[in-house]
Amino acid sequence: DVKVTQSSRYLVKRTGEKVFLECVQDMDHENMFWYRQDPGLGLRLIYFSYDVKMKEKGDIPEGYSVSREKKERFSLILESASTNQTSMYLCASSPREEGLEKLFFGSGTQLSVL
Amino acid sequence: AQSVTQPDIHITVSEGASLELRCNYSYGATPYLFWYVQSPGQGLQLLLKYFSGDTLVQGIKGFEAEFKRSQSSFNLRKPSVHWSDAAEYFCAVAHLYNFNKFYFGSGTKLNVKP
Repeated sequence: DVKVTQSSRYLVKRTGEKVFLECVQDMDHENMFWYRQDPGLGLRLIYFSYDVKMKEKGDIPEGYSVSREKKERFSLILESASTNQTSMYLCASSPREEGLEKLFFGSGTQLSVL
Repeated sequence: AQSVTQPDIHITVSEGASLELRCNYSYGATPYLFWYVQSPGQGLQLLLKYFSGDTLVQGIKGFEAEFKRSQSSFNLRKPSVHWSDAAEYFCAVAHLYNFNKFYFGSGTKLNVKP
């Protein structure tokens, strides 16, 4: 089975801190995604990557950056965390040839910024 | 603008009763439609998807959905709900290979009464 692992289930950080959210997938997928999930808003795409060192902005990239140095790992970076970035963050991956038809999600990281 | 609407934020049904979760979309091109389920503390799992062909699609866990182009709807149904179906359900619409054009609804939380 495909496994998408997010390193932390819960994270508490202070305003202004630099925050790293890590995501690792074990199925050699080319595509990886970071979503943010907020009550009443569904999932919103922050960034995605379709290959190593490649990245594209999603709908809400402001305040975030990403890094993809290795195929299996996709990191989301909050350069200076703010309280409005308190949210559930979901990572996902899919094989290139199947696009969004086979999208696999991690269990999520609940980030609280105080 | 493209969008997905799930008009019901919360739904409560009795165990054994039938279920219908509503989803309406607004999309210029031929849509690809998905239903995902998120159990508490878990990531999203794909229930079913519609790309083309038969407008009634079967998914996992006994769920089905019907695509109605004239009504721009893709409602999810289950004839007899089990307590384990309590979760949050998300409808999504996508262009299959345009990763930035994948829109999630805001979700419907399903409670199941014993």
